[in-house]
Amino acid sequence: NAGVTQTPKFQVLKTGQSMTLQCAQDMNHEYMSWYRQDPGMGLRLIHYSVGAGITDQGEVPNGYNVSRSTTEDFPLRLLSAAPSQTSVYFCASSPLGPTEAFFGQGTRLTVV
Amino acid sequence: GQQVMQIPQYQHVQEGEDFTTYCNSSTTLSNIQWYKQRPGGHPVFLIQLVKSGEVKKQKRLTFQFGEAKKNSSLHITATQTTDVGTYFCAGPKGAGGTSYGKLTFGQGTILTVHP
Repeated sequence: NAGVTQTPKFQVLKTGQSMTLQCAQDMNHEYMSWYRQDPGMGLRLIHYSVGAGITDQGEVPNGYNVSRSTTEDFPLRLLSAAPSQTSVYFCASSPLGPTEAFFGQGTRLTVV
Repeated sequence: GQQVMQIPQYQHVQEGEDFTTYCNSSTTLSNIQWYKQRPGGHPVFLIQLVKSGEVKKQKRLTFQFGEAKKNSSLHITATQTTDVGTYFCAGPKGAGGTSYGKLTFGQGTILTVHP
């Protein structure tokens, strides 16, 4: 059971480039989320999905797009990378209701 | 909007000393979760508290949820080097329904343990 899989693990981008961070889960979870982690700021919610075809904005959505065409996949797109988007990105999934979130291994992104 | 504050930001202890981190929410929470993140790793779920005044124990770890469901604490007795990492509290944004998957995290407490 792979759980939540994120790719790539590391990425360096130039300012203005675009890219997609991949996230896949094999637990048939309804909820999937993207967080970014910056020093001293905990994890902040970027975008969120409660099921295929349904997405919503989190706390810091600007500069990011998401879509959810299947239950398993929830990619995060950076439209035009900026140095302020240098961060560690975590994808998480959870089943319905108040229960634990399962996190992927993270993607460490540097924008130069 | 909902804010979750966590203190202290850093804690350095000698192995065998106790450790406590505190979490305070600006709004009443339906539940609170605690996660541990090892250096270079990803957050891993520790526990969830749901009831007002709830206390749960996991070996040397004791978790409490306040009576008003706005604060929580994690206490580690006799720390070990394996306890090193960042401890986060997290609560759902909003109440019920689809809010459960949207978590507001505290800033985390970074624990270092000196052998």
